[in-house]
Formats: sequence, C-alpha cells, structure tokens
Amino acid sequence: KAGVTQTPRYLIKTRGQQVTLSCSPISGHRSVSWYQQTPGQGLQFLFEYFSETQRNKGNFPGRFSGRQFSNSRSEMNVSTLELGDSALYLCASSLKGADTQYFGPGTRLTVL
Amino acid sequence: AQSVTQPDIHITVSEGASLELRCNYSYGATPYLFWYVQSPGQGLQLLLKYFSGDTLVQGIKGFEAEFKRSQSSFNLRKPSVHWSDAAEYFCAVGKYSGGGADGLTFGKGTHLIIQP
Repeated sequence: KAGVTQTPRYLIKTRGQQVTLSCSPISGHRSVSWYQQTPGQGLQFLFEYFSETQRNKGNFPGRFSGRQFSNSRSEMNVSTLELGDSALYLCASSLKGADTQYFGPGTRLTVL
Repeated sequence: AQSVTQPDIHITVSEGASLELRCNYSYGATPYLFWYVQSPGQGLQLLLKYFSGDTLVQGIKGFEAEFKRSQSSFNLRKPSVHWSDAAEYFCAVGKYSGGGADGLTFGKGTHLIIQP
C-alpha cells in the first residue's frame, strides 16, 4: 500500500504571496492532519480534516487554511506569506482520526 | 493542555551500546503515546505506540518503550544501537475527544548521535 504523498517537496516563495500544498493520504484513510515543523517551535498541529470537514484546529492565524476533497486528498493554503512561515509542512493520515497517524515526507517551504 | 518533555536535546552513544531516550508527558486522562523517528530531510516514521493494555510495547527496528503512569513517562529503549539509528526522535501524546483527533502534541525531540 502506498504511503502518504505530498507535493511539491520543495517550494520557494516571496513575502506576500500565497501557496497551496497538497497531500494524498494512504488509501482508505479518511482523516488528514497538517503540522508545521520549525527549528524554533518544533512540531505544531495546524488542523485536521475528516470527511471533508475541519474537525480540529491548532493555534494558527487565519492565513492558514485547508480543505479536503471527497477522495480524502487534502490541500493546505497559506496566504500573505511571512518570513516566519518558512518551515517543513507535514501531512499525516489515519483511518478515522482517533488512531495512529502516518506521516508523509513533507513540503519544505522557504519564504524570501 | 497536554505537554511532552524530552529532557535530552542531544545524546551520544557508542555503536553496540544500549540506549534509553526519556519522555515525560502531562495529560489529564489516559494518553495515547507515540515515538516517531525522523531522518534529515524526511518525514516522521512511527516506531511504536501505546493506547492501552500491556505497558511494555514493542516497535520496529528493535525498539521498545515502557509506559509508567505513576511517573508520567514513556521512555524509549534499544539494547544495542546501530549506526543507522542516528536520527531525531520525537515523543508525542495524542488527545482524542468526540471521536476526533485534536492533534498530536510533540516533544522538542532528541538528536541521537552514534559513535563508531
């Protein structure tokens, strides 16, 4: 069974732009969670989607948003990029959320 | 709010020696506990998990961890490390309510260095 895939793997943007990251979960998994990883703050939970609905959200500004499609694929959008948004963005999928999360390789976002 | 503490930022171990990585958590109910490993530039790979039952759990790559409720700890152990074990290790606690996951809370990680 294929693992979690994330595209693109690397991305360079400038301040003020917006960006969309994509995540394809493991086949059959309906829950997708997003995390931000930075050297200073570590791994932080952004939000979780299940059956196209956002169920939970971490403590991030409204510039960070997401959505999930009927095939469970998920996208994350960051608008009005700031230098501090430079990070590794990780997506994780699980069967229904209340179980083990499996992580993708991440998207490395650099904001210049 | 739950929290996870990994007291050791860096640990250096000789190849073939035993390993113990410490993890302490703060959580009001019975936690779901995980250990993940991350190699440079990669995502997180699950080593093992504890949901309930036997407090000594076995994972992949020869790792094991023991849940001690009285000490709020979930330490990771391996009897003999290999050079390929050099990586960043993360302990995490999961909070699940109303059928959904509120997201994993991670420790800051422990960087494991293996000496030849």
